[in-house]
Amino acid sequence: AQSVTQLGSHVSVSEGALVLLRCNYSSSVPPYLFWYVQYPNQGLQLLLKYTTGATLVKGINGFEAEFKKSETSFHLTKPSAHMSDAAEYFCAVSNQAGTALIFGKGTTLSVSS
Amino acid sequence: NAGVTQTPKFQVLKTGQSMTLQCAQDMNHEYMSWYRQDPGMGLRLIHYSVGAGITDQGEVPNGYNVSRSTTEDFPLRLLSAAPSQTSVYFCASSGVAGNEQFFGPGTRLTVL
Repeated sequence: AQSVTQLGSHVSVSEGALVLLRCNYSSSVPPYLFWYVQYPNQGLQLLLKYTTGATLVKGINGFEAEFKKSETSFHLTKPSAHMSDAAEYFCAVSNQAGTALIFGKGTTLSVSS
Repeated sequence: NAGVTQTPKFQVLKTGQSMTLQCAQDMNHEYMSWYRQDPGMGLRLIHYSVGAGITDQGEVPNGYNVSRSTTEDFPLRLLSAAPSQTSVYFCASSGVAGNEQFFGPGTRLTVL
């Protein structure tokens, strides 16, 4: 069965610091992996996705993630945090048929000046 | 294109009442799904559909019914609302298996 674990429900960084949000997955088939962001009182926006090919995936707003099969991980990083990055971030894996998503519980990112 | 639309945006129900959350997409996507979002729980898959006439259960299907008579519409029915169904509900669609889901703006439901 597909599942996602996000380590750390809340991460706090200073503006300009490295952002690292952790995601581990379990999948019985080659996974399709996604990161979504949700700003306060808004819907979900796709940050980036891994389907096949290059394991380092670049997304919007300077975020990137690396698919590591041996570690079953898909951690999200950004070299330098900005105040506008404060939001909730969700990691997700496709279900077995690729027809819906299984989400992690989310990580709230706070950025202080 | 309007993308994925949901109505209503807000709804308050009393325990035992029934209602239908509407979801429509104009992208000719085959795959549609419903999720609920609760604090600390992320988004959980309720039901999904792989095409007109075909639906399946997700992680938390109890208390909800769905049907898919057209490609465009995928309504979610609560037959007898319970306070545990207080949540924010998101509908999503996708055109290709394994591709990203496009989300609607959500419906905030409160059951008293």
